[in-house]
Amino acid sequence: GAVVSQHPSRVICKSGTSVKIECRSLDFQATTMFWYRQFPKQSLMLMATSNEGSKATYEQGVEKDKFLINHASLTLSTLTVTSAHPEDSSFYICSARAGAGTDTQYFGPGTRLTVL
Amino acid sequence: TQLLEQSPQFLSIQEGENLTVYCNSSSVFSSLQWYRQEPGEGPVLLVTVVTGGEVKKLKRLTFQFGDARKDSSLHITAAQPGDTGLYLCAGTAVVGNEKLTFGTGTRLTIIP
Repeated sequence: GAVVSQHPSRVICKSGTSVKIECRSLDFQATTMFWYRQFPKQSLMLMATSNEGSKATYEQGVEKDKFLINHASLTLSTLTVTSAHPEDSSFYICSARAGAGTDTQYFGPGTRLTVL
Repeated sequence: TQLLEQSPQFLSIQEGENLTVYCNSSSVFSSLQWYRQEPGEGPVLLVTVVTGGEVKKLKRLTFQFGDARKDSSLHITAAQPGDTGLYLCAGTAVVGNEKLTFGTGTRLTIIP
């Protein structure tokens, strides 16, 4: 199956700093990537949809200036959590879709962000 | 907003028993997927169902999509400790619409 990687897998940062998380599709080109957030013992909540070469579409309630998304190539999308605060601590997961007309998303292994 | 409610939320059973997890919605979905997630990892796709009434089997797991495409079930036969995990259903409302709406999740624990 298709492989999606995320880096880093874990990050601990001080409050007020910015953190960048990378999501890569390793063996296919992803026209669309998605960013999810998962709190402990809860399900995944979609944050934004990232299309290569265009601006990301954010879900209601997600601050686009807080969570910057860049999808510069067909294999890489980045999520930057700006001026992180403890309430931003969470498990961030990306997924990638191979092309239009398919519903299948391949998920990355997730990034655990802890803001002190 | 499409909501997917899963039941039960938690389930703990003995090895060898059978179980069923339900995923229900008032909305129609063009396709529905089931994932299993281990702690600290991303979800892993188990199956995709697209046709109302469709039944798919994956070894000891049987997945069914409701006739009206509003609900789905996952049945596990002779559960094993390796089946332990968080089971998530997720649906797409419109064909080609990219967004996945995830269910509330069922945390399954199989006791050896």
